[in-house]
Amino acid sequence: TQLLEQSPQFLSIQEGENLTVYCNSSSVFSSLQWYRQEPGEGPVLLVTVVTGGEVKKLKRLTFQFGDARKDSSLHITAAQPGDTGLYLCAEPNSGNQFYFGTGTSLTVIP
Amino acid sequence: DSGVTQTPKHLITATGQRVTLRCSPRSGDLSVYWYQQSLDQGLQFLIQYYNGEERAKGNILERFSAQQFPDLHSELNLSSLELGDSALYFCASSSKPLVNGEQFFGPGTRLTVL
Repeated sequence: TQLLEQSPQFLSIQEGENLTVYCNSSSVFSSLQWYRQEPGEGPVLLVTVVTGGEVKKLKRLTFQFGDARKDSSLHITAAQPGDTGLYLCAEPNSGNQFYFGTGTSLTVIP
Repeated sequence: DSGVTQTPKHLITATGQRVTLRCSPRSGDLSVYWYQQSLDQGLQFLIQYYNGEERAKGNILERFSAQQFPDLHSELNLSSLELGDSALYFCASSSKPLVNGEQFFGPGTRLTVL
């Protein structure tokens, strides 16, 4: 079973601050997805990274896939209250199963 | 709105009972996934169906079963319910059963077992 550890578990910051959350695996990822889940809703896909060292940007969000494909990070610049939510990393495996990380709960205070 | 619908939104029942959760995928999506989300276990993959057939199985208990019908809607049956089964249950759909594909999640069913 793939084990995806995310850190930190909880993060509370002021609007305008920058932050980084991490996702680490016990083994090599085949690919990695990041999701955001808002209270009372299901997760929504933000990005998929496939290649080691890959960097993808989505407005103020920057996603990085580690060179060894065992870790990934999500950096948010100038956080806004609308960024509040649970950030989950997930790895689909060859068996069509999806493993989700433990999650980082982000609160951005206006 | 993801286009995935789940009913009911909330369900309160007693230990030992049996419940059925229903999911309608996005129009045209053939693949349906079920997940359980609890505070201590996080979001756990239960099972996947593609066009009526089971494609992948995760940490699904023997007391739980699922099926996908010809009209592509899916049902998750939970029996002999225990307190620990209280959780959010999500259904997701995608157009293909392939990995790296985007899954669209429904709003979830919150199950409370008393």
